[in-house]
Amino acid sequence: DSGVTQTPKHLITATGQRVTLRCSPRSGDLSVYWYQQSLDQGLQFLIQYYNGEERAKGNILERFSAQQFPDLHSELNLSSLELGDSALYFCASSPLSRAAEQYFGPGTRLTVT
Amino acid sequence: QQQVKQSPQSLIVQKGGISIINCAYENTAFDYFPWYQQFPGKGPALLIAIRPDVSEKKEGRFTISFNKSAKQFSLHIMDSQPGDSATYFCAASMTGNTPLVFGKGTRLSVIA
Repeated sequence: DSGVTQTPKHLITATGQRVTLRCSPRSGDLSVYWYQQSLDQGLQFLIQYYNGEERAKGNILERFSAQQFPDLHSELNLSSLELGDSALYFCASSPLSRAAEQYFGPGTRLTVT
Repeated sequence: QQQVKQSPQSLIVQKGGISIINCAYENTAFDYFPWYQQFPGKGPALLIAIRPDVSEKKEGRFTISFNKSAKQFSLHIMDSQPGDSATYFCAASMTGNTPLVFGKGTRLSVIA
C-alpha cells in the first residue's frame, strides 16, 4: 500500500458526461501528479500540483481540469467525455525530502460507453 | 516523440533465470531513472531507482545498470520467480518535483 488513495475505483459513464476523480496524497506529500494509462499510449503525464498551485502540464486535454485543495487532496475533472477517454487514471504523490520519488495510488478505471 | 524507449515489449523467462529489460533515453537533462512494477489492477509501485553518478545499483534480486555515455539503463532480475510476473516500466525525470516520462512497459512472465 503506497499510502495514496483514489476514489472511485471504477466509473462507468456515457459520452458527453462529466466526472470527477479524487486523490488523497500520502501524509505530508505536497506534490500530486495525475497520469493516464491506456493500452496504446502507456502512462502519460497529465498535470502536477504542488501545495495548491499548478506546477506542470503535460498532454492534458482542454476538456480536463484539476485542482489541489488546502488539505492537499486533488480532483481531476473530465468533461464532455468521449469513448477515447476510457483509461486508467492514476495519481501519484512525492515527498519534499525525496522529491523525485513518486508513489502511485491504485487508480480509477474510467469506462465511457 | 518518445523520450524513453523500452524493450522488449514482452519477456518470458524460466524460473531461476535472469530477466533483463532495457531502456534508452534522449534527454540528457534527465537525472533520475526509476523502475516501476505493476500488477494487474494495481498502481505502479516504485521498485528501484538510480542517478547518473553511479553505474550500478543493487537491491536484493534487482539491479539497475546505467551507461551514461550510451544514454541507456537496464533492469536485471536475478533468480526470477513466478511472483515477479508483472509489467515493468522504466522512467526518467529531472531533478526535483518534475513529472516522470515512462517507457511503454515490458510484460514479464516467469514460468516454472
